[in-house]
Amino acid sequence: DGGITQSPKYLFRKEGQNVTLSCEQNLNHDAMYWYRQDPGQGLRLIYYSQIVNDFQKGDIAEGYSVSREKKESFPLTVTSAQKNPTAFYLCASSTDYYEQYFGPGTRLTVT
Amino acid sequence: QQPVQSPQAVILREGEDAVINCSSSKALYSVHWYRQKHGEAPVFLMILLKGGEQKGHEKISASFNEKKQQSSLYLTASQLSYSGTYFCGTGAAGNKLTFGGGTRVLVKP
Repeated sequence: DGGITQSPKYLFRKEGQNVTLSCEQNLNHDAMYWYRQDPGQGLRLIYYSQIVNDFQKGDIAEGYSVSREKKESFPLTVTSAQKNPTAFYLCASSTDYYEQYFGPGTRLTVT
Repeated sequence: QQPVQSPQAVILREGEDAVINCSSSKALYSVHWYRQKHGEAPVFLMILLKGGEQKGHEKISASFNEKKQQSSLYLTASQLSYSGTYFCGTGAAGNKLTFGGGTRVLVKP
C-alpha cells in the first residue's frame, strides 16, 4: 500500500535535546512538507522540498532543520534553539500543485 | 498572510446544509480543502485551480472566485461523518500552501 509513514507517534524529550522526526513516503511524490500544528490551531509550514537535495524555509523555520537526500525521505530535526517545540508535527507529500497526502503525525512533548 | 475562514464554528443537524468561506489577501493559483478529525491527520477533500479545474474525492462541492480571492465549501445534506475541522489552504506560487485557522463543524443526529 502506498502512503506516508511518520515515526514515532508520540515522542518525549527533555529541554535542550535535539530530536529527529522521521517521514517516509512510497508514493513517488517529488514534493514533501513539514507542518506544525498547535492545539486548536491551523497548520503552519516549517520546511518544504520540491526535489532531492533542495529545500526551502516555510513560515516558521527557526529552530528546525531538514535534509532531503532521498526522494522517499524528509526527516525533520527539532533543535534546542526552538523555543516552544511541544506540538503535533505533520509530514505531507504531493505531486505538482495537487493534493497533499498527510502522514499520521508525531506528537512531540518537550519538558 | 494566512487566509481567513468563516465561520469559526458551525453546528448542524443531520441533513442540513452549511457554507464555509475562505478569503485571501493575495492573488491565488489554487485553493485546497481538507478535513481533520480530532487527533488525526488532515484528509484531502477538494482542490480548485485558477482557470476552473477542480478535483475532489467526495460528494462535497466548492467554488473559487479568482477575482475576489475567495473560495467556499458547501456541505449539502450533512451526515454525521462530516463532523471535524475544515481547513482551506491557499497556494500563490509553487507547491507551498498557507492554511487558514480552520472551521469546526459538528453535525448532530
